Amino acid sequence: KQEVTQIPAALSVPEGENLVLNCSFTDSAIYNLQWFRQDPGKGLTSLLLIQSSQREQTSGRLNASLDKSSGRSTLYIAASQPGDSATYLCAVKGNDMRFGAGTRLTVKP
Amino acid sequence: ETGVTQTPRHLVMGMTNKKSLKCEQHLGHNAMYWYKQSAKKPLELMFVYSLEERVENNSVPSRFSPECPNSSHLFLHLHTLQPEDSALYLCASSQEGGLEGYGYTFGSGTRLTVV
Repeated sequence: KQEVTQIPAALSVPEGENLVLNCSFTDSAIYNLQWFRQDPGKGLTSLLLIQSSQREQTSGRLNASLDKSSGRSTLYIAASQPGDSATYLCAVKGNDMRFGAGTRLTVKP
Repeated sequence: ETGVTQTPRHLVMGMTNKKSLKCEQHLGHNAMYWYKQSAKKPLELMFVYSLEERVENNSVPSRFSPECPNSSHLFLHLHTLQPEDSALYLCASSQEGGLEGYGYTFGSGTRLTVV
């Protein structure tokens, strides 16, 4: 059974810092991995989708990497802003979709 | 409208009421999902309609009843709920059947409070 773990559970950084969020999964037989952002009480917004054949995807200040063999993905956020404060979830698509519990990010002005 | 739309955004209901949540996707996807998100818990998959087949999570109580009349619409019918059913209910859609998949698109959710 696929298990997805996100570390840390919460992170607080000052504005302007570069930061890395981690996601690990136990079964490397995946089709893709997706990173989402969730604001309090709202739905999930897709940030980046990495196919199993890809190593990374970039969108603006965000860069996500995927290492299937080690069961790891990272989400890199450059020059963080207070507006980046949210919960970030990773989800792994195998036979079904498995979500991590998320990392709650706070960027302080 | 584009994406995945959920209505209502907020719902307060008594334990003896019957209500329905609605989800509509405008993406041409062939699979739709209901998820429950409780405070400080991971997302819980409730129901899946994929390629016109319903896949049901057996641990979902019968007071939750899904309906998928076509590939664009998904409902969750609620009756005799309990206070612990209060949560954010999220609908998602995806295109299944390809080699790798296109990812999930989520709606904004319905915040349900059972009193």
